[in-house]
This record gives sequence, C-alpha cells and structure tokens, in this order.
Amino acid sequence: EAQVTQNPRYLITVTGKKLTVTCSQNMNHEYMSWYRQDPGLGLRQIYYSMNVEVTDKGDVPEGYKVSRKEKRNFPLILESPSPNQTSLYFCASGYRDRGHYEQFFGPGTRLTVL
Amino acid sequence: TQLLEQSPQFLSIQEGENLTVYCNSSSVFSSLQWYRQEPGEGPVLLVTVVTGGEVKKLKRLTFQFGDARKDSSLHITAAQPGDTGLYLCAGFTTSGTYKYIFGTGTRLKVLA
Repeated sequence: EAQVTQNPRYLITVTGKKLTVTCSQNMNHEYMSWYRQDPGLGLRQIYYSMNVEVTDKGDVPEGYKVSRKEKRNFPLILESPSPNQTSLYFCASGYRDRGHYEQFFGPGTRLTVL
Repeated sequence: TQLLEQSPQFLSIQEGENLTVYCNSSSVFSSLQWYRQEPGEGPVLLVTVVTGGEVKKLKRLTFQFGDARKDSSLHITAAQPGDTGLYLCAGFTTSGTYKYIFGTGTRLKVLA
C-alpha cells in the first residue's frame, strides 16, 4: 500500500531532551516536507527536500533539523525541544506534476514538550 | 512573508445548501491546491489548479483559480454531511524556493 508513515504517533517529552521523528514513504517521491499544525495558525512548512541531499528551509525552521540521506526517509530532529514546539507534526511526500508537487500526507505525530 | 487568508473560518449549514469558501493572497502563486482534513488524520489533496482562471470540478465541488493567480474559491453544491471537515488551501511558490503556504482553514459542518 502506497503510504507515508511517521513514528512515533504520540510523544511526550521534556525540555532539552533531543528527539527524532521519523518519516518514510514507499512511493519513490522526490519531494518530502515537514509541517506543523497549530490552532489558529494552520499548517506551516518547517523544511522541505527536493531530492536526496537537497534540503531547504520552510517558513518556520528555527529549532529543527532535517536530513535526506535516502530518498524514502526524511527524519525531523529537535536537538533541544522547547514547550513552544508542542504541536501536531505532519510529514508529506510528493511527485512532480506540471511544475508543482502532488502531496500525500502522513497520519501525524502529536508532540508535547513539558 | 506570504500569507493566504481563508474565509469563512467556520461554516455550519444544512444539508442541501450551497456554499463557497475563499482563499485570498496579495502574492502570486504558481499553483494552488485544496485539501480536506478529517480529525486525527493528515490532509488529503482534492485538486490542484495551475492556470489563471482555471476551473476544475470534482463531483459537487467546483474549484477556481483567480485570473491573477492570487486567489481561489471552492464551491460546494448541495452539501452533504459527508462534506464535513476542515478545508485547506495551499499556494506553491517557485521563485527561488519551492515552498507551500497554507491558509488557516475553513471548518465546515453540514447538518443532516
């Protein structure tokens, strides 16, 4: 089944404890991206990747890191999480079509930083 | 910073009514997408419009991209309870970056 998977789905952690949220897709998509969703603010793009070893900042990259060493994986790393990073996170992958990307979203990871 | 404003934020209507959701920006986008999101799930892509003035239909849903590619609308005819959900528009930029800018969403509830 074609899908985007994220792990973990739920995570409660404490300030400053490094964490990684994994994202994997089995559709051979070139484009992958991370978003956070907060009430009243909608979805905001954190980082995106056009292909292996090619990553770029979205609108809210501060406090996050990513890497794209393989086409299928795009982990999101929080080196020192803070309470303002408490949010619902979505990973997406996409294929190119007429100059844009048709995106498929994962199920989300709900992160709470105490 | 590019922004996409959606209106209305909330909409509660009776089954069978028509409705329109608007997505507006002062920025030009190379394409615009509409998604629907159910509680506890990720957004699901409904449609992409690419050309200024483009109109696409998906059953009872009609999507339009503004002529200047700064705005879009979603019209639902004869809404059904199954249309209930959060509708999101997203603009794609290609001028130096390849980012998606999402609107804040319209939460639709269709009452039987």
